[in-house]
Amino acid sequence: EIVMMQSPATVSVSPGETVTLSCRASQSISTSLAWYQQKPGQAPRLLIYTESTRATGVPSRFRGSGSGTEFTLTINSLQSEDFATYYCQHYYEWPGWTFGQGTKVEVK
Amino acid sequence: EVQLVQSGAEVKKPGESLKISCKGSGYSSSNYWIGWARQIPGKSLEWVGMIYAGDSETRYSPSFQGQVTISVDKSIKIAYLQWYSLRASDTAIYFCAKSQDSNSLYYHYWGQGTLVTVSS
Repeated sequence: EIVMMQSPATVSVSPGETVTLSCRASQSISTSLAWYQQKPGQAPRLLIYTESTRATGVPSRFRGSGSGTEFTLTINSLQSEDFATYYCQHYYEWPGWTFGQGTKVEVK
Repeated sequence: EVQLVQSGAEVKKPGESLKISCKGSGYSSSNYWIGWARQIPGKSLEWVGMIYAGDSETRYSPSFQGQVTISVDKSIKIAYLQWYSLRASDTAIYFCAKSQDSNSLYYHYWGQGTLVTVSS
């Protein structure tokens, strides 16, 4: 099973700042990576797929990059609605799609 | 607008059976996957499995193989997740999710979640 490791677990950021979240795969997953945003009491929301493609309606301040085993999600000019938990998830091979443990972006 | 509406919260005893549902609307094609994911409150997500609405091909994560059954009635756009004998460790929120099409391996649309509580 491919293990997805996210860092940091929690990051404190002020509105308007830029934050970069990391996701590392235990083996190469090419670009088969998605990022989801989840707010308390809500379902996950797809942000990014195929490593860098934004889902419909996702603002351009969200940017995904990387390939192989190292990936990042950058959020530019953080807005109040962006404070949430972010999960990366690979879909490189089945069975065994896995999520990372999540990074919580909180208000500084 | 694509929407997935899941059935309501359930409280069950260990050993009981349960079937939760996920009703879709806002689309007409059967060329899509419905996935089910589990989330223990405060924890990350895990994929339970998925089903292709077109031909009911089903895939399960190893941890859930033999423990649950995923099915779909594409004519009424309802997918199901079923247990025959619940355990306390099944207590979690279960989300259904829909792919954009048959080739998408990521999930654009999500249900609101169903809280399943298993307690004696």
